[in-house]
Amino acid sequence: GAVVSQHPSRVICKSGTSVKIECRSLDFQATTMFWYRQFPKQSLMLMATSNEGSKATYEQGVEKDKFLINHASLTLSTLTVTSAHPEDSSFYICSARLVAEPYFGPGTRLTVT
Amino acid sequence: EDQVTQSPEALRLQEGESSSLNCSYTVSGLRGLFWYRQDPGKGPEFLFTLYSAGEEKEKERLKATLTKKESFLHITAPKPEDSATYLCAVLQSYNTDKLIFGTGTRLQVFP
Repeated sequence: GAVVSQHPSRVICKSGTSVKIECRSLDFQATTMFWYRQFPKQSLMLMATSNEGSKATYEQGVEKDKFLINHASLTLSTLTVTSAHPEDSSFYICSARLVAEPYFGPGTRLTVT
Repeated sequence: EDQVTQSPEALRLQEGESSSLNCSYTVSGLRGLFWYRQDPGKGPEFLFTLYSAGEEKEKERLKATLTKKESFLHITAPKPEDSATYLCAVLQSYNTDKLIFGTGTRLQVFP
């Protein structure tokens, strides 16, 4: 079946550093991937849509200079949190669609100290 | 405004006690409605897709149904391992790939 992977699953970084999260579609190609953020006991909040070969589309209120997205191939999208601060600590989840059905990665827990 | 609302927010069931979770939606041009299961600290796991009113899908103890305004996730004789948060999401219109998520129902099944 369709599988979406993320790496790393957990990351702890110091305030001011940058962190890269990878999202891969393992057995299908995805021209579009999605990045979500989830706070404890809340639902998923769409941050941006990652488009292969073109610029990402960001949701209102999401800083594109802070959350850099690169969709370098049909199976890989990366999210880089630049100059991370404690308020960026969260659970980040990516998604890719196989035909009509969105599949989600296992998530990345980011903790900024 | 397009919106997805899930109820109840939390549900506690005794093992074997069947119940239903509700997902109400107001979107223009529904392309699909999706149910996911999410365990703590993990990404959502795909359960069902429903496309048109009257459609039903079944998997083990779960059955999803769809009307023009809402979807139900029926859980028959639940077991403790069914404990999770169940998320509903809709794919809206034909001009966007964005999912609109409900806030989820946290289900706890006690032995």
